[in-house]
Amino acid sequence: QKEVEQNSGPLSVPEGAIASLNCTYSDRGSQSFFWYRQYSGKSPELIMSIYSNGDKEDGRFTAQLNKASQYVSLLIRDSQPSDSATYLCAVNKNNNDMRFGAGTRLTVKP
Amino acid sequence: DAGVTQSPTHLIKTRGQQVTLRCSPISGHKSVSWYQQVLGQGPQFIFQYYEKEERGRGNFPDRFSARQFPNYSSELNVNALLLGDSALYLCASSPARSLQGQYFGPGTRLLVL
Repeated sequence: QKEVEQNSGPLSVPEGAIASLNCTYSDRGSQSFFWYRQYSGKSPELIMSIYSNGDKEDGRFTAQLNKASQYVSLLIRDSQPSDSATYLCAVNKNNNDMRFGAGTRLTVKP
Repeated sequence: DAGVTQSPTHLIKTRGQQVTLRCSPISGHKSVSWYQQVLGQGPQFIFQYYEKEERGRGNFPDRFSARQFPNYSSELNVNALLLGDSALYLCASSPARSLQGQYFGPGTRLLVL
C-alpha cells in the first residue's frame, strides 16, 4: 500500500463545474495535510493546508479532512481552464518527513 | 521578495560522475528540504536541514548527501550517478523546523547518460 494514494486521472470537468480530488493516506499518526498545484514543467505551488478534521475554505478551494477515514479531499468550485494542472496531495508524517502522492491530472475544458 | 532559487537549471552528466546542486531559501527561512521528482510521480523527500543540521532523511542511498551553510543556503551532492538519478531535483524552504508551508524553487533538471 502506498503511503499517499491519489487517482492519477486524468480528471476532466467542464468550465464552471466543481472538480473533486481525493487522497488517502496510510499513517494514522499524520498531523498535517497539504494540496499543491503543479503546472507542466513547473515546480509545485502550495494552495491549501489543513490540520484538523472538517472543511477549510479559501476562495474557490475547499479542503476536507477526515482523520478517522484517513482521507483528504480538495474541491475546486467554478473550475477555470487555468486550473488545469496536476494536483499533489502531501502528508506530513512527522515534522521531518513529507510524503507526496503521485498526483491527479485535472483538465478543465472551456 | 525573491523566492527560492536553485542552480543550475539543467545539468547533463554521465554515469559514475558526481553532481552538486545548490539552493538559496527565501530570506528569513531557516529550513531547506530536498526532493527528487521523477516524471509522472510526486516529489520524494530526500533531506531536511534546519539550522545547519540534518533533521530528516528519506529512503535514499548514501550516495546522496547534503549540507546547509550559515546563510541557510544548501547543497545537495550525488555521487556515482546512475541512470535512475535522472529527475527534477526540487528544493523547498520554510520558516520553521516543521515542513508546513513549504515553498518550492524552480528545480534542477538532471539528466544522466
